[in-house]
Amino acid sequence: GQNIDQPTEMTATEGAIVQINCTYQTSGFNGLFWYQQHAGEAPTFLSYNVLDGLEEKGRFSSFLSRSKGYSYLLLKELQMKDSASYLCAVRDSNYQLIWGAGTKLIIKP
Amino acid sequence: IAGITQAPTSQILAAGRRMTLRCTQDMRHNAMYWYRQDLGLGLRLIHYSNTAGTTGKGEVPDGYSVSRANTDDFPLTLASAVPSQTSVYFCASSDAGGADTQYFGPGTRLTVL
Repeated sequence: GQNIDQPTEMTATEGAIVQINCTYQTSGFNGLFWYQQHAGEAPTFLSYNVLDGLEEKGRFSSFLSRSKGYSYLLLKELQMKDSASYLCAVRDSNYQLIWGAGTKLIIKP
Repeated sequence: IAGITQAPTSQILAAGRRMTLRCTQDMRHNAMYWYRQDLGLGLRLIHYSNTAGTTGKGEVPDGYSVSRANTDDFPLTLASAVPSQTSVYFCASSDAGGADTQYFGPGTRLTVL
């Protein structure tokens, strides 16, 4: 079967750095996505990785290792508005997105 | 309209009733999707459409039907609602079938009693 694993919940302090991990086992791989979802709102696109390595976009970076079936999302200089769920999704061989259950990130002052 | 709209925002429905959730996008995206999101589970694909006139089944299609008569609209119908269909439903679209980023509507919160 296909599986995406993420921690259920993480807590971090305002101004700090946090790394959210995602491991996957899917039938084929055609890219990995990270989305942010604030409570009661729609998911919004953050980043996309299809090749190994680090993609940086402002305070957010995403890393991919295809051989290890592993990705992480790195958030720097945390702000209270970063409190949200972070969803990892893998595009499989049929080009369908397989979604993890999401990681709820709680930011404390 | 900018992006994707969904209607209604929320709905309480008696079991056995028929319900259609509406989704409209103005980005001229080829592909559209319907997901349900339940607590503790990832988004699950119900149905999708890669282009107007075509539809396909996702991971959890039973009890749901869709149509894609034109590029902009992708309604989801529950023929006879059951309590297990209580969920938040998201419509999404992307530019080129499965090959592009998906953008989401604001969601419909459906409760079936």
